[in-house]
Amino acid sequence: GENVGLHLPTLSVQEGDNSIINCAYSNSASDYFIWYKQESGKGPQFIIDIRSNMDKRQGQRVTVLLNKTVKHLSLQIAATQPGDSAVYFCAETSGAGSYQLTFGKGTKLSVIP
Amino acid sequence: KAGVTQTPRYLIKTRGQQVTLSCSPISGHRSVSWYQQTPGQGLQFLFEYFSETQRNKGNFPGRFSGRQFSNSRSEMNVSTLELGDSALYLCASSTEQGAIYGYTFGSGTRLTVV
Repeated sequence: GENVGLHLPTLSVQEGDNSIINCAYSNSASDYFIWYKQESGKGPQFIIDIRSNMDKRQGQRVTVLLNKTVKHLSLQIAATQPGDSAVYFCAETSGAGSYQLTFGKGTKLSVIP
Repeated sequence: KAGVTQTPRYLIKTRGQQVTLSCSPISGHRSVSWYQQTPGQGLQFLFEYFSETQRNKGNFPGRFSGRQFSNSRSEMNVSTLELGDSALYLCASSTEQGAIYGYTFGSGTRLTVV
């Protein structure tokens, strides 16, 4: 796909299992974090976000965990489906007035039917 | 409701040429941001436009420029193309200036420089 890099971390999971994708960020001033999903030939699609005053947020089949102490973000996908196969990016920003996102390198998730 | 439209989808150019890419935001969205995506560097911020003014610029050389029109459509231009400019160029639109919370991305323009 267009977004696959030579050194892109990969994760393979069986259909129906839970997936955990991890991301480390570097800017301690970041106060807003987003997970995006990018399928081949498409732009990033918003999955879920979280603000720095929270440590957990849940959506439909997805949960984001934020650990500010170690500057770590994770995305959990429950009951992973073939349609979840994509590259997942975390992104961070320092919030209002920042005007830009800083993206992580991405993780390619492959779901085995 | 139409999404963010980027044209063309694919483009092949020769080193030294220039190129113009177009982005039509979602109706009502006034902020347009551009990102470059490469396998080596990932997604990197180029610039953001709001009300026809560039509000923020990433760390790219001056060969990369852009503009926004009164209808919020935006174009980006790359002059004197280099092989390293080969990338997927993505634009994202949102309602307010710097409103990253409501970012919606287009599918991108794949630029290949030969």
